[in-house]
Amino acid sequence: DAKTTQPNSMESNEEEPVHLPCNHSTISGTDYIHWYRQLPSQGPEYVIHGLTSNVNNRMASLAIAEDRKSSTLILHRATLRDAAVYYCILKIYLRNSGNTPLVFGKGTRLSVIA
Amino acid sequence: DSGVTQTPKHLITATGQRVTLRCSPRSGDLSVYWYQQSLDQGLQFLIQYYNGEERAKGNILERFSAQQFPDLHSELNLSSLELGDSALYFCASSPRDRSNTEAFFGQGTRLTVV
Repeated sequence: DAKTTQPNSMESNEEEPVHLPCNHSTISGTDYIHWYRQLPSQGPEYVIHGLTSNVNNRMASLAIAEDRKSSTLILHRATLRDAAVYYCILKIYLRNSGNTPLVFGKGTRLSVIA
Repeated sequence: DSGVTQTPKHLITATGQRVTLRCSPRSGDLSVYWYQQSLDQGLQFLIQYYNGEERAKGNILERFSAQQFPDLHSELNLSSLELGDSALYFCASSPRDRSNTEAFFGQGTRLTVV
């Protein structure tokens, strides 16, 4: 099982950038890095995913290390609405059984201070 | 709004009873996933269906079963309910079963067993 390691919690000031780290040292060449977040009392929400290159979308940026053993989710300007648990997940392709579903760890609880 | 609809939103039932949770995926999505979230266990993957067939199984108890119907909606059946089954149950859907595909989650069904 390719696993990820994230800090339990982080804190940010409103309107400042946030860098959420994730280590995935056992990642394989075909594993995609996915990020989801879960706001209080809601279902998880897709944020971004990538394979090798850095990715940008309207919500965030994903910076992937050259060796792919770590990645960083970047929120460019944190707002109070960004307070959530952020999950870094590897989506794995197994030759015999196909793609694995999303397996959630404990994630990082992000607090945003006004 | 993710486009994934779960009913009912809340359910209160007694121990030993049986309940059915329903999930309508986004239009055209072939994959459906079920997750259980309790306070002490986090988000646990239960089972995945793809185009009507079971694709992957996680930590699903033998008392629980699921199916996906020809119209692609899915039902999760929980029987002989115990107090410990009280949790949030999430359904997610995705268009295909690939590593580079995001999943969309519903708002969940909160089950309380008394």
